[in-house]
Amino acid sequence: GQQVMQIPQYQHVQEGEDFTTYCNSSTTLSNIQWYKQRPGGHPVFLIQLVKSGEVKKQKRLTFQFGEAKKNSSLHITATQTTDVGTYFCAGPSSNTGKLIFGQGTTLQVKP
Amino acid sequence: NAGVTQTPKFQVLKTGQSMTLQCAQDMNHEYMSWYRQDPGMGLRLIHYSVGAGITDQGEVPNGYNVSRSTTEDFPLRLLSAAPSQTSVYFCASSFTIAGNTEAFFGQGTRLTVV
Repeated sequence: GQQVMQIPQYQHVQEGEDFTTYCNSSTTLSNIQWYKQRPGGHPVFLIQLVKSGEVKKQKRLTFQFGEAKKNSSLHITATQTTDVGTYFCAGPSSNTGKLIFGQGTTLQVKP
Repeated sequence: NAGVTQTPKFQVLKTGQSMTLQCAQDMNHEYMSWYRQDPGMGLRLIHYSVGAGITDQGEVPNGYNVSRSTTEDFPLRLLSAAPSQTSVYFCASSFTIAGNTEAFFGQGTRLTVV
């Protein structure tokens, strides 16, 4: 079946370093969404990308959607302790339209 | 605006007990779903509903039942709790089933089965 894979599973960085998580789908996606889950919290929607090659920025966060619409990345510039959490990508199933989530990347930031 | 409300926040069950996790949304969303989250496994879909009276199975439905009698409510029932059902459960809703609309999550229920 359709899969959405994320790497790495965990990442530890020093505060101020950059961070990137990658998301790969086994099939072409109509769109991709990103969510952030703080420790002990629930996933919260960050952004949705729809167009091939699309790049969107939210302050220090840069989101990209690949040209083939099968992969995406989230890059955080100069991480802060407030960036700690798990970042999920999610894409709609080509059969049912339901959201399929990646396994998530958990980011730890050392002050 | 409450969004998606889940109760309880924490629960400990003994093996074999049954219970219902409550989920309610006040955004008039058609689509509601239940996920479980386990370490390293991401969010796995248990059951979902595309509207009142309509439910379907997700990726990991065994041991769980759902019903959708109203647009607002989507309870998840554990029929006979097992230690393998120890997990964090999230209810989510979105305007449509199409994966092009934002999903809103409840605060989660942390369930331990002993």
